[in-house]
Amino acid sequence: QKEVEQDPGPLSVPEGAIVSLNCTYSNSAFQYFMWYRQYSRKGPELLMYTYSSGNKEDGRFTAQVDKSSKYISLFIRDSQPSDSATYLCAMSAVTGGFKTIFGAGTRLFVKA
Amino acid sequence: NAGVTQTPKFQVLKTGQSMTLQCAQDMNHEYMSWYRQDPGMGLRLIHYSVGAGITDQGEVPNGYNVSRSTTEDFPLRLLSAAPSQTSVYFCASRQINQPQHFGDGTRLSIL
Repeated sequence: QKEVEQDPGPLSVPEGAIVSLNCTYSNSAFQYFMWYRQYSRKGPELLMYTYSSGNKEDGRFTAQVDKSSKYISLFIRDSQPSDSATYLCAMSAVTGGFKTIFGAGTRLFVKA
Repeated sequence: NAGVTQTPKFQVLKTGQSMTLQCAQDMNHEYMSWYRQDPGMGLRLIHYSVGAGITDQGEVPNGYNVSRSTTEDFPLRLLSAAPSQTSVYFCASRQINQPQHFGDGTRLSIL
């Protein structure tokens, strides 16, 4: 079993839809949770960075962490064609040198 | 501010050839890492460094060498290229307990 599981998609939605992207994990030591966006032929770009449980909002993006269920989510409101990309979840624990474990990524297509 | 810079962007090698992928960062980050990204596999850690002169192996280190003589540079060497090393390689840097910042990758094809 992988430490981090993420549905690869692809996920196709119409412009303006609310998008929900999710990851599950098995290591209860993870405390730092991240979402990266990766456009084709580019490197991953940090979108959201949260510590422990709870919600964090930044513009149209909201990250949620539920440590009791070992489940994290990224919500995108009013999705735009420019949001079409691959979204990677990632998480780290302070123990073990803060190594980052990445999900395989979900491909998102937002249709105009 | 350039961030993390990787060169070259593309490279084609023949089996058995060696080469060095370059990575430089201008953010004075102590931690630097090399990942490879393959379809369906996500990002896998090859080698990492916690400071100049200190390196360690990641999840998939075989066939690769690294060194860290300065804070800014962290080159990755392929000793004898194999087709299984065809991949996209990303370099990343960060400060302690902070998220990774990535370069735009090197796309490597080995024939």
